[in-house]
Amino acid sequence: EIVLTQSPGTLSLSPGERATLSCRASQSVSSSYLAWYQQKPGQAPGLLIYGASSRATGIPDRFSGSGSGTDFTLTISRLEPEDFAVYYCQEYGTSRTFGQGTKVEI
Amino acid sequence: EVQLVESGGGLVQPGGSLRLSCAASGFTFINYAMSWVRQAPGKGLEWVSAVSGSGESTWFAESVKGRFTISRDNSKNTLYLQMNSLRAEDTAVYYCAKGSSAVRPYFFDYWGQGTLVTVSS
Repeated sequence: EIVLTQSPGTLSLSPGERATLSCRASQSVSSSYLAWYQQKPGQAPGLLIYGASSRATGIPDRFSGSGSGTDFTLTISRLEPEDFAVYYCQEYGTSRTFGQGTKVEI
Repeated sequence: EVQLVESGGGLVQPGGSLRLSCAASGFTFINYAMSWVRQAPGKGLEWVSAVSGSGESTWFAESVKGRFTISRDNSKNTLYLQMNSLRAEDTAVYYCAKGSSAVRPYFFDYWGQGTLVTVSS
């Protein structure tokens, strides 16, 4: 089973700043089968990124994903108030496991 | 518009059983794999179980294998999770999630709002 480790656990930033979230896999993720989800308080998760770098429908271009192999990054170029949430990465090629999440807080 | 509506959650005693349902609409149900993902209070996401579009293939996390059964009724566009021998550690919000295709690999492109299962005496 692939284990995903997200860092940092919490990211404290202000609106307008850039956020960089990391997701590291215990073994190589085949064909970049890596997704990112956003979860706001009291809500279900929602898909942001799939295939490591493809934005889901309706996701603004301030969200971008990159990486391959074992190291992946979610970048939010300029934080909007609605972006303060918890972000999870997921490997979906073999084990469907999630990372433990990164909370982006004001 | 894709909609996933879970039901069936509630309070159950340890060792008891519960069946969750997820009513799907807005897409051709049989063409997509479906999954259950849970979230314990204050914790992260844990994938629980998945079923292929046809219903012929199923997969389970080790933590629920032998206790949970997943199934689907493609004539009713409904996904189920039968949970037996429930434990306190099964307490969580259970989300129904739509796969992006019928077979692996797939990510979860739509999620329901979740149903809370509480296992306690």
